[in-house]
Amino acid sequence: GAVVSQHPSWVICKSGTSVKIECRSLDFQATTMFWYRQFPKQSLMLMATSNEGSKATYEQGVEKDKFLINHASLTLSTLTVTSAHPEDSSFYICSAGTELAGSYNSPLHFGNGTRLTVT
Amino acid sequence: ILNVEQSPQSLHVQEGDSTNFTCSFPSSNFYALHWYRWETAKSPEALFVMTLNGDEKKKGRISATLNTKEGYSYLYIKGSQPEDSATYLCAFQPINTDKLIFGTGTRLQVFP
Repeated sequence: GAVVSQHPSWVICKSGTSVKIECRSLDFQATTMFWYRQFPKQSLMLMATSNEGSKATYEQGVEKDKFLINHASLTLSTLTVTSAHPEDSSFYICSAGTELAGSYNSPLHFGNGTRLTVT
Repeated sequence: ILNVEQSPQSLHVQEGDSTNFTCSFPSSNFYALHWYRWETAKSPEALFVMTLNGDEKKKGRISATLNTKEGYSYLYIKGSQPEDSATYLCAFQPINTDKLIFGTGTRLQVFP
């Protein structure tokens, strides 16, 4: 159980275009989705937290107009990298928290990640 | 700035060897410490979520201990197998938040 499907697995796009990454929880309802980014040899860095039906909360230094997050339903969150530039090339991965009211120490369930290359 | 450090960065062991690695995290505002196992081309898989000082958890040949007062956790693998080859991530969860702060991971390779 607790499967998170993320796609695409990899994408190559031209500078200036936008790319959408989807993250779906397949067998549970994800009230919260977390979007992380990982640069080579660095740790997973939280970009934003999205809650179903409300605006995402972005971490310091993450441009909300560049990284658009939509969490329209309890099973789907999307990250759109707008006007992508080569420096946005990175590994992006989503994770979902299961719906355990009042429980903050549940493990996260991750997607497989998306390797974005902007040329 | 909250810092989570893992050591070693990478580790190569022979099949059958036991191994262990370390995760260091802030000792203040502690809520939970998570361990994940991340195989190449797959998604990170939760191993343990530890909350109490002195906690020790076990899953098959893998076990973990937690010291919240000094801010470290050890992950042990007994009798390593090639299928244990993966990157092991730890993540610190501060109090009153569901956000996790990850270390850079320890990459384990087990040779047959």
